[in-house]
Amino acid sequence: QKEVEQNSGPLSVPEGAIASLNCTYSDRGSQSFFWYRQYSGKSPELIMSIYSNGDKEDGRFTAQLNKASQYVSLLIRDSQPSDSATYLCAVYSGTYKYIFGTGTRLKVLA
Amino acid sequence: DTGVSQDPRHKITKRGQNVTFRCDPISEHNRLYWYRQTLGQGPEFLTYFQNEAQLEKSRLLSDRFSAERPKGSFSTLEIQRTEQGDSAMYLCASSLQGGLAGNNEQFFGPGTRLTVL
Repeated sequence: QKEVEQNSGPLSVPEGAIASLNCTYSDRGSQSFFWYRQYSGKSPELIMSIYSNGDKEDGRFTAQLNKASQYVSLLIRDSQPSDSATYLCAVYSGTYKYIFGTGTRLKVLA
Repeated sequence: DTGVSQDPRHKITKRGQNVTFRCDPISEHNRLYWYRQTLGQGPEFLTYFQNEAQLEKSRLLSDRFSAERPKGSFSTLEIQRTEQGDSAMYLCASSLQGGLAGNNEQFFGPGTRLTVL
């Protein structure tokens, strides 16, 4: 079983719609959870971090965490073509290690 | 610019040559990480430093790879006798351990893209 799992996509949504990206993780002791956006050929850019159960909103982005279900999600409201990228879920174990998923490719169709 | 910087951004080398990459982390960050990323994959952990001490190295990392972080500031990653399979994006990231409660945010540099011919 992979430690952090994401659907590779592509996830295609029309412009203006809500994009929903999901991630599951295997280590119940994980403490911190992050979403990165990565454009083709570029490095990952941190867009959201979440540490406790529930929702955290930042602009058009909402991160959701459910530790009991070992599930993290990212919602992007009013999706724009510029949101088209790969979104990486990362989990911090609490020691030193960050485990990354393979990413979900999002396509926002104009 | 107070972000993570890496140099060079691109490196093309011939098989068998040695290459060295440099990373300058965010100045107040005490942890520095090296990752490798290939197409369609997430960043793969290579090694990390807490201040100047290299505390963990991936078992996947061959003896051809070595990293240093003298004085706990910048870091270098050297690959000796490069192979075509070493072609990848090499990413450096830094974080502050022991900062604000729950804050272990990790920030990446722009990466060094290595092509081994």
